[in-house]
This record gives sequence, structure tokens and C-alpha cells, in this order.
Amino acid sequence: AQSVTQLDSQVPVFEEAPVELRCNYSSSVSVYLFWYVQYPNQGLQLLLKYLSGSTLVKGINGFEAEFNKSQTSFHLRKPSVHISDTAEYFCAVSDYGGATNKLIFGTGTLLAVQP
Amino acid sequence: NAGVTQTPKFRVLKTGQSMTLLCAQDMNHEYMYWYRQDPGMGLRLIHYSVGEGTTAKGEVPDGYNVSRLKKQNFLLGLESAAPSQTSVYFCASSYVAGAGTDTQYFGPGTRLTVL
Repeated sequence: AQSVTQLDSQVPVFEEAPVELRCNYSSSVSVYLFWYVQYPNQGLQLLLKYLSGSTLVKGINGFEAEFNKSQTSFHLRKPSVHISDTAEYFCAVSDYGGATNKLIFGTGTLLAVQP
Repeated sequence: NAGVTQTPKFRVLKTGQSMTLLCAQDMNHEYMYWYRQDPGMGLRLIHYSVGEGTTAKGEVPDGYNVSRLKKQNFLLGLESAAPSQTSVYFCASSYVAGAGTDTQYFGPGTRLTVL
């Protein structure tokens, strides 16, 4: 069975500082990995996804993530955060090769950017 | 395009009451999903549909029913609401199951409180 672990429930950071949000996954097969962002009182929207190819994936709003198969990780990074990046971030894995496109989400990490 | 819309945005029920949450999408997506979001638990899949007239159980289906009579609509029903169903409910859709690669598009959510 597939699963996703986000160990940090909350990450406080000062504006313009770099940030890394951690995600580890468990899967017995190949994986597709996603990061979604949820701004306050809104639905989720896709930040980026890894399907294949280059292990460094660039997304919207200056975020990027690196797929590391040996460490089963897909950490999200941004070199300089803004107040507007304050949101909850969810890592997810999908059913590789399946016919349902279902996602399994982690528990989320709240990024709190302080001035 | 309005994307994915959800009705209502907020609702308060008493224990034992019933209600239906409506999800509509105008993107001609085949697949639709209902999730619930609870603090510290991320998003959990309740039911999903891979096409008009089809439904299937997700991770936490008990106490809920769904119907997909039209491709653009996906209804979530609570027959006899319980306080444990207090949550934020999100609907999502995706174009077609590209073997797990497709992006899911989320609605803005419905905040349900069961007293």
C-alpha cells in the first residue's frame, strides 16, 4: 500500500528566508508524486508534480521539488518566501498505472511566513 | 470556466438530519471525487466516480452515499448526520485517468457542522 508522510505539521519562517517542506513516501511500485497548496479558506491547487524524467521539478510561484528514489523523498523548496506563501501544503502520491487517478495525501504542513 | 463549484458553502445540521452536497464541474472531466478534510489528518477520499452512472468507495465511505447521474455533477449525501461528520468537504475532478498522472482540480469546499 502507498502512503505519504509529512513529518512537519507547521514550519515557521521569516520573509525572504529559504524553506524546505519535507515529504517521504512509501510504495512498492513506481510512483507519481504531487504537491498541492491550500490558501486560507480555499480549495487545493496543484503546485507541481513528478511523473518521470528529471528529478528536479519546477512549479508555480517559484517552488521546486526534488524526487529522490533512494531516500523515498520528494521535498519542496523555495529559496526566498513571501508573506503570500502562507498556506497549507500537501504532498500526495497517486496510484501508479491505476485506472482511478486516486490520490493519497499526507497530513499537510502549514507554512507560516512572518514579516 | 467556473471550474469546480460546490453548494452550499456552509451548513449546520442537527444529529440525524439529512442533506445533499452538490458538486458541479464545467471542464468535461470524466473523474470526480469527494474528500473530507479534518485537522491533522489531511484529505481522505470518501467516494469517487470514473464516469457518468458509476460510483465507488474510497477510504472513508461509511455514512455517505453518492450519485453521478450527469457527467458534470457529483452529489454527496448524508442520510443521518452524526457529529463525527463535522468536517470540510472538498470535491475534485480530473480529465481522464492517465494512469495516475492527471491533475485534480478542487472546489472551494463546504464547511459542515453537525450538532
